[in-house]
Amino acid sequence: KAGVTQTPRYLIKTRGQQVTLSCSPISGHRSVSWYQQTPGQGLQFLFEYFSETQRNKGNFPGRFSGRQFSNSRSEMNVSTLELGDSALYLCASSFRGPRGELFFGEGSRLTVL
Amino acid sequence: QQQVKQSPQSLIVQKGGISIINCAYENTAFDYFPWYQQFPGKGPALLIAIRPDVSEKKEGRFTISFNKSAKQFSLHIMDSQPGDSATYFCAASMGTPPTDKLIFGTGTRLQVFP
Repeated sequence: KAGVTQTPRYLIKTRGQQVTLSCSPISGHRSVSWYQQTPGQGLQFLFEYFSETQRNKGNFPGRFSGRQFSNSRSEMNVSTLELGDSALYLCASSFRGPRGELFFGEGSRLTVL
Repeated sequence: QQQVKQSPQSLIVQKGGISIINCAYENTAFDYFPWYQQFPGKGPALLIAIRPDVSEKKEGRFTISFNKSAKQFSLHIMDSQPGDSATYFCAASMGTPPTDKLIFGTGTRLQVFP
């Protein structure tokens, strides 16, 4: 069974640009969650999608957005990038949502210069 | 009130020793407490989880102890091995879909030296 796939793995952007990250969940999983990981802050919840609907959202500005497609694949977008957006962005899929086992991808490492 | 406080931030243990990581929470609505293990360059993976109706759960060398009255839970790694060197995250969850959430602690970097 293939795991969670995130692309791209690494990317470098400059301030003011936008970025789109992609996540392909495990087959059969309808829940996809996104987390931002930074040193000292741990894993900060961005949002969760289930069957194409955003079910939950963390405390991030509106520059952070996402969506989920009918095949459960998900994308997240960050517009008007700031230096503080540099982080590892992790996607996790699960069968039922946050209270079940989350299967994480290896993340997309974003560096904003 | 939805925070999960984790300590220590980093931990160095000798091979064969016991590693202990502690977490505390305030919101009594939390009712599911998983621990995730993350190796460098990888995403976190579920290690072990506990619900508040039990005070302890053991899986191999890994044990979760849960103190409901103190609102604390901890991970004990017995006979720590260099292969256990990783970052460990505690987490807490509450609610039912669609409002359920999983809140993570800030992580503990464990280094086990031979």
